[in-house]
Amino acid sequence: EVQLVQSGAEVKKPGESLKISCEGSGYSFPNYWIAWVRQVPGKGLEWMGIIYPGDSDTTYSPSFEGQVTISADKSITTAYLQWSSLKASDTAIYFCTRRSDYYGTAAFDYWGQGTLVTVSS
Amino acid sequence: QSVLTQPPSASGTPGQRVTLSCSGGISNIGSNNVFWYVQLPGAAPKLIIYKTDHRSPGVPDRFSGSKSGTSASLAISGLQSEDEADFYCAAWDDSLSGPVFGGGTKLTVL
Repeated sequence: EVQLVQSGAEVKKPGESLKISCEGSGYSFPNYWIAWVRQVPGKGLEWMGIIYPGDSDTTYSPSFEGQVTISADKSITTAYLQWSSLKASDTAIYFCTRRSDYYGTAAFDYWGQGTLVTVSS
Repeated sequence: QSVLTQPPSASGTPGQRVTLSCSGGISNIGSNNVFWYVQLPGAAPKLIIYKTDHRSPGVPDRFSGSKSGTSASLAISGLQSEDEADFYCAAWDDSLSGPVFGGGTKLTVL
């Protein structure tokens, strides 16, 4: 069974750093793109970026380039999303999701449960 | 401001047919397939339509997708109370070199 399991909720202060994780199982982790998607509570979905764990090829949305870092460690089938200096506006739920090339370029067939990040002084 | 435009809300009564719209541009819907996701409160999104008009495994045939030019639609026939959810459209954007989402439509079953 394919699963993406994300790390737990975080409460941070502005200016702090953070790294959240997404562990994949039940499939060949290196061979599927993993994307990160932001959802501000009560709002829509925003694509942040995507990584191919096999070679760590990464593409960022222009809206998030320079604001976050996406990485992956295929040896432990885990992808990461990190911030060096959080802002209150980073408060959101962050989903990792697997892209299915079979279903298409914007087809994300499995999703993590989401990680709520709250940034508040 | 989402790249793809969806009406924020829609509604229908049980048994009715409703159509959700999604408007984009040449670089996304106009050139690429459309995808539809459904999200229940507190849950992750779920892919229900891929490549514009293909249903994901397990999705009832009450759901159908279509596209014309730079707009797409998701039709839901025989509306049921459990269809009440948020629906998002998505497409690859050639200018962005990444996927773009609509702002979502909240479907209410009256």
